[in-house]
Amino acid sequence: GAVVSQHPSWVICKSGTSVKIECRSLDFQATTMFWYRQFPKQSLMLMATSNEGSKATYEQGVEKDKFLINHASLTLSTLTVTSAHPEDSSFYICSANQYTVPDSYEQYFGPGTRLTVT
Amino acid sequence: QKEVEQNSGPLSVPEGAIASLNCTYSDRGSQSFFWYRQYSGKSPELIMFIYSNGDKEDGRFTAQLNKASQYVSLLIRDSQPSDSATYLCLEGSGNTGKLIFGQGTTLQVKP
Repeated sequence: GAVVSQHPSWVICKSGTSVKIECRSLDFQATTMFWYRQFPKQSLMLMATSNEGSKATYEQGVEKDKFLINHASLTLSTLTVTSAHPEDSSFYICSANQYTVPDSYEQYFGPGTRLTVT
Repeated sequence: QKEVEQNSGPLSVPEGAIASLNCTYSDRGSQSFFWYRQYSGKSPELIMFIYSNGDKEDGRFTAQLNKASQYVSLLIRDSQPSDSATYLCLEGSGNTGKLIFGQGTTLQVKP
């Protein structure tokens, strides 16, 4: 299967600072990437859909000014958590769609980034 | 609003048995379904996808799709303790490529 990487795999930051997380599709081009957040013992929650060359589409309740998403190329999307607070501590996971044939795709997840805000 | 429902479990089976995981979906027009496995503290990994009615087999895994009854299932033959994880049944949302999540079923395979 296709490979999606994330960097960093874990990060600790102080409250009020910003953190950038990178998501890369290593062996395929991804016009669409997704950002999720997962709290302990809960299911993944989709935060936003990131499309190359255009603004991200945020899910209801997700603050777009706090979670800045940039999809600068077909293999790279970044999520910046601005002015982080302890309640932003979570497991952030990105994913990317690999289209096999038109209207047919497989979605591959990155390994995740564990963010701890102190 | 599309929905995917799974029994959260835990489903407990002895080693070597067949584990049967099920999910139902609400949108009769849904076309694509995915089974992912997620170990605690890790991100989901794709096991299988299925688009057509019937069965699809890959090694010890068989996915079944019944569009008339609107359910999807995953059978795991010869279950191993390493199969213990949360299994996510996901529905693909057409052109957007978004995945509709069920709650996931926790599987425990006991040696």
